[in-house]
Amino acid sequence: DTAVSQTPKYLVTQMGNDKSIKCEQNLGHDTMYWYKQDSKKFLKIMFSYNNKELIINETVPNRFSPKSPDKAHLNLHINSLELGDSAVYFCASSQVGTGDNEQFFGPGTRLTVL
Amino acid sequence: DAKTTQPTSMDCAEGRAANLPCNHSTISGNEYVYWYRQIHSQGPQYIIHGLKNNETNEMASLIITEDRKSSTLILPHATLRDTAVYYCIVRAPGFQKLVFGTGTRLLVSP
Repeated sequence: DTAVSQTPKYLVTQMGNDKSIKCEQNLGHDTMYWYKQDSKKFLKIMFSYNNKELIINETVPNRFSPKSPDKAHLNLHINSLELGDSAVYFCASSQVGTGDNEQFFGPGTRLTVL
Repeated sequence: DAKTTQPTSMDCAEGRAANLPCNHSTISGNEYVYWYRQIHSQGPQYIIHGLKNNETNEMASLIITEDRKSSTLILPHATLRDTAVYYCIVRAPGFQKLVFGTGTRLLVSP
């Protein structure tokens, strides 16, 4: 069974378009994340939601709008796509408790903006 | 910025132990040491974590120095499938993000 799934796996689109990436986790976790990995392979946090509430927003342009309809889903909508948005986007989830908590990552969505 | 320093790359022969070092001299008292790896084109995968004591699981062992300023991830019998980028991350518990550095690219060869 897939723990954290993302769709689509690949997304190719033109500059200026609006697109969405979906993420679902079946682990019962209360916290979900979006990370971006650019062409130089740097992996950086973008957003974190806990119980559908935004916890972390790492200076991401407001063209990016995460939406969490429920605890199991955190979708990423991107408006007016730019060339620099081309990257691999990873969704992750974890159960935040009183101590440590590992994050489980999805397989990634490779976004190419032409 | 990442609070850890790792070698850029390492090589290991298949079947031998791979010892991956990490320096985290500014680690705080409540921060854990986490290790993740990323196999080519896949999402990062959790390996192990620890606070003070050495830890072992089915994947690896984690040795943390007494002053907690450095640690070593040990893959006891490396296989070709262990070729990946290994990230050492220090992180406090709770709603804390993972800050990935550049990691160590481990190449396991036959």
